[in-house]
Amino acid sequence: NAGVMQNPRHLVRRRGQEARLRCSPMKGHSHVYWYRQLPEEGLKFMVYLQKENIIDESGMPKERFSAEFPKEGPSILRIQQVVRGDSAAYFCASSPTGAEQFFGPGTRLTVL
Amino acid sequence: AQSVTQPDIHITVSEGASLELRCNYSYGATPYLFWYVQSPGQGLQLLLKYFSGDTLVQGIKGFEAEFKRSQSSFNLRKPSVHWSDAAEYFCAVGAIGGSNYKLTFGKGTLLTVNP
Repeated sequence: NAGVMQNPRHLVRRRGQEARLRCSPMKGHSHVYWYRQLPEEGLKFMVYLQKENIIDESGMPKERFSAEFPKEGPSILRIQQVVRGDSAAYFCASSPTGAEQFFGPGTRLTVL
Repeated sequence: AQSVTQPDIHITVSEGASLELRCNYSYGATPYLFWYVQSPGQGLQLLLKYFSGDTLVQGIKGFEAEFKRSQSSFNLRKPSVHWSDAAEYFCAVGAIGGSNYKLTFGKGTLLTVNP
């Protein structure tokens, strides 16, 4: 059973561009979490999704950020009009029940 | 709101020495507690978790942690550290809402192991 896959592993964008981060959960996992890790910080919760539903987006910035987890395909975290402050590592975690979370390797976003 | 404090930003130990990493949490109900390890440039790997029951929890790689409700602590221990244990360690508390176990993490403790 392959682990959680995230791509790309590294992403460079210029200010104002869009960033799309993909997360393929482990087989059989229908719960997906997204976290952001800023330099020198721990991970911060962003959003929790189940298939086709956003359950909790209390950690998402109100503007420019969106997430989805369609019936087919990976979960997508989308950041529009990126700014330098969006530079961070973005981690996805999947779970079969919501409880124990298995983390992917992360996507490191750099905004120039 | 829940919070996690890891008082030690950086710890250095000699290989073979014992290790204790501290974690204090704040949460209004019975907490679900986790320790994760992160190697440079990698994702997080779950070391162990506490949901209920025995307060001394065994994990992978020889780690254990003890839940002490009276002290709001969940310290991680290992009797003899190996060079490969050098990494960053994160304590987390899970806030439970239905199936939503979103985690609140501490800022991490960086472990350096001297030969």
